[in-house]
Amino acid sequence: EAQVTQNPRYLITVTGKKLTVTCSQNMNHEYMSWYRQDPGLGLRQIYYSMNVEVTDKGDVPEGYKVSRKEKRNFPLILESPSPNQTSLYFCASSLTGGLSFEQYFGPGTRLTVT
Amino acid sequence: AQSVTQLGSHVSVSEGALVLLRCNYSSSVPPYLFWYVQYPNQGLQLLLKYTSAATLVKGINGFEAEFKKSETSFHLTKPSAHMSDAAEYFCAVSAYGGSQGNLIFGKGTKLSVKP
Repeated sequence: EAQVTQNPRYLITVTGKKLTVTCSQNMNHEYMSWYRQDPGLGLRQIYYSMNVEVTDKGDVPEGYKVSRKEKRNFPLILESPSPNQTSLYFCASSLTGGLSFEQYFGPGTRLTVT
Repeated sequence: AQSVTQLGSHVSVSEGALVLLRCNYSSSVPPYLFWYVQYPNQGLQLLLKYTSAATLVKGINGFEAEFKKSETSFHLTKPSAHMSDAAEYFCAVSAYGGSQGNLIFGKGTKLSVKP
C-alpha cells in the first residue's frame, strides 16, 4: 500500500530535550516536506526536500532541522524543543516539487512540549 | 504571493442537504488549486485538484468544485451530505516562487452533518 508513515504518533516531552520525528514514504517520491498545523492557522511548511541531500527552508523553519540521506526518509529534528513548538506535525511527499502534483500526507504526529 | 481564504470556519448542514464550502484565492498567475479533507485523527487526503484542464473538477466521494477566474473562487460542493462527510476541509494553492512545492493552505472549514 502506498503510504507515508510517521513515528511517533504522539509525543510528550520537556523543554530542551532533543527529539526526532521520523517520516518514511514507499512511493519513490522525490519531493518531501514537513508542515505544522495549529488551530486557526491551517498548515504551514517548515522544511522541504527536492531530492536526496537537497533541503531548504519553508515558511516557519526556526527551531527545526531536517536531513535527507535516503530518498524514502525525511526526519524532522528538534534540537532544543520549546513550548511554542507544541503542534500537530505532518510529513508529506510528492512525485516531484511541481506545482500541479498532489502531496500525500502522513497521519500526523502530535507533539506536546512542557 | 498567493493566498487562500476560506469563508466560515464552521459549517453545519443536515444529512441530505447541499454542502457548499467556500474558497477564494489570490494569485497573480494562473493557480493550481486543491481541496483536502482531514478526518478526525488522520492526515490530509486529496479530494480534488484544479490544474487548468477543466473548470469543473470532480473529486472523490461525490464532491466537485468549480474554478471561476472572474470571482477568484474555487468553492467545494456536494449535492447531498452524508454523515461520513463530517470532517475538516482545507483549500490550498500551489505557491509560485519561494519554497518549491509549497502549498498555501486556508485555515480550514469544519463541516458538521446533523442527522
